[in-house]
Amino acid sequence: KNQVEQSPQSLIILEGKNCTLQCNYTVSPFSNLRWYKQDTGRGPVSLTIMTFSENTKSNGRYTATLDADTKQSSLHITASQLSDSASYICVVQTTGGYNKLIFGAGTRLAVHP
Amino acid sequence: KAGVTQTPRYLIKTRGQQVTLSCSPISGHRSVSWYQQTPGQGLQFLFEYFSETQRNKGNFPGRFSGRQFSNSRSEMNVSTLELGDSALYLCASSLDPRSSYEQYFGPGTRLTVT
Repeated sequence: KNQVEQSPQSLIILEGKNCTLQCNYTVSPFSNLRWYKQDTGRGPVSLTIMTFSENTKSNGRYTATLDADTKQSSLHITASQLSDSASYICVVQTTGGYNKLIFGAGTRLAVHP
Repeated sequence: KAGVTQTPRYLIKTRGQQVTLSCSPISGHRSVSWYQQTPGQGLQFLFEYFSETQRNKGNFPGRFSGRQFSNSRSEMNVSTLELGDSALYLCASSLDPRSSYEQYFGPGTRLTVT
């Protein structure tokens, strides 16, 4: 069964600190892995998209890694800001059909001053 | 370039009623997907339309239906509303969902069923 699992479920950090969010998937066939940021009550916004051959991708203070062998990905946030408080959703796209996106449950991050 | 727009943003309906939500994709995007998001279930795929054809459907009852018009605008309809249908309904558009094209989400429609 295609699944995407994220950990931790929630996280609280202090402003300025770094953090890493995890994503494990059992999706086959694999097309790409995406990380989205979703502010409360808003639509998700894409942070990165990585295909099978990409190990690392950065978007400002966000750096995503992908290990296709172990089927794991991480999202590292550097020097966190209050505006980073949001849910971060890991999504894996399979090639098994049109627009087959498998969503993780998300990690809720709270950055405190 | 304008983003994905959804109307209305907020909606309150009573059990048993029906509702229609609208989504206008980014100009040039032919694929529109709909998702339901609830605190307990997270994001769940409803269906996807490309060039007015439904190409993919999630595991939702027949009360949930949709369509896409020739200008790529899409509507989603829910009939005989139940309390459990209360959720944030998100629409997303992309150029071509068969590859790694970016998918852009709208702000969502918050539906409350009382």
